[in-house]
Amino acid sequence: NAGVTQTPKFQVLKTGQSMTLQCAQDMNHEYMSWYRQDPGMGLRLIHYSVGAGITDQGEVPNGYNVSRSTTEDFPLRLLSAAPSQTSVYFCASSPRGSGNTIYFGEGSWLTVV
Amino acid sequence: TQLLEQSPQFLSIQEGENLTVYCNSSSVFSSLQWYRQEPGEGPVLLVTVVTGGEVKKLKRLTFQFGDARKDSSLHITAAQPGDTGLYLCAGGNTGNQFYFGTGTSLTVIP
Repeated sequence: NAGVTQTPKFQVLKTGQSMTLQCAQDMNHEYMSWYRQDPGMGLRLIHYSVGAGITDQGEVPNGYNVSRSTTEDFPLRLLSAAPSQTSVYFCASSPRGSGNTIYFGEGSWLTVV
Repeated sequence: TQLLEQSPQFLSIQEGENLTVYCNSSSVFSSLQWYRQEPGEGPVLLVTVVTGGEVKKLKRLTFQFGDARKDSSLHITAAQPGDTGLYLCAGGNTGNQFYFGTGTSLTVIP
């Protein structure tokens, strides 16, 4: 049971570099999202998608891009990394419909120096 | 702006004690979920409540959704070391977007 798979698990970037966090789910879920988790801040929604070809901004979208070319994949791109983007990133998926379970990946630890 | 505020932020108690965690918002949600997260892992769903005033029990855990669907509480009876973790509430809207609370870090001391 793969569920939601994120890569890489750990990454160190220099300020100004770009990178992509990969996310894939094998549950045929329509809804996918990216969160970042910082101490004392809980999980904050970065971007989300309600289906292939459709994406929208969450609470903290600046500095990040997403695309959803297939149902399975939802990569998150950091365009020009900044130290403020040091965080733990979680990808999540869920079936369409309010109140459905959100399934999270194991997280990606990103440090920007 | 954090839509959901949780209290307390940190809680350290002895094994066998009872505790309550609160999740408050000025927004109305169509559903409210509680998750538990362990270090190095993603959050895992504990319960979903959808009706104002709804109470759900999961063994020693009791969850309540406020009548106005703006707040919720999690009560743990006779806490055990295995309950240690970060507890997160999440409010959902009809568009499938979930907004998470600030989290409550619980430590149960044997």
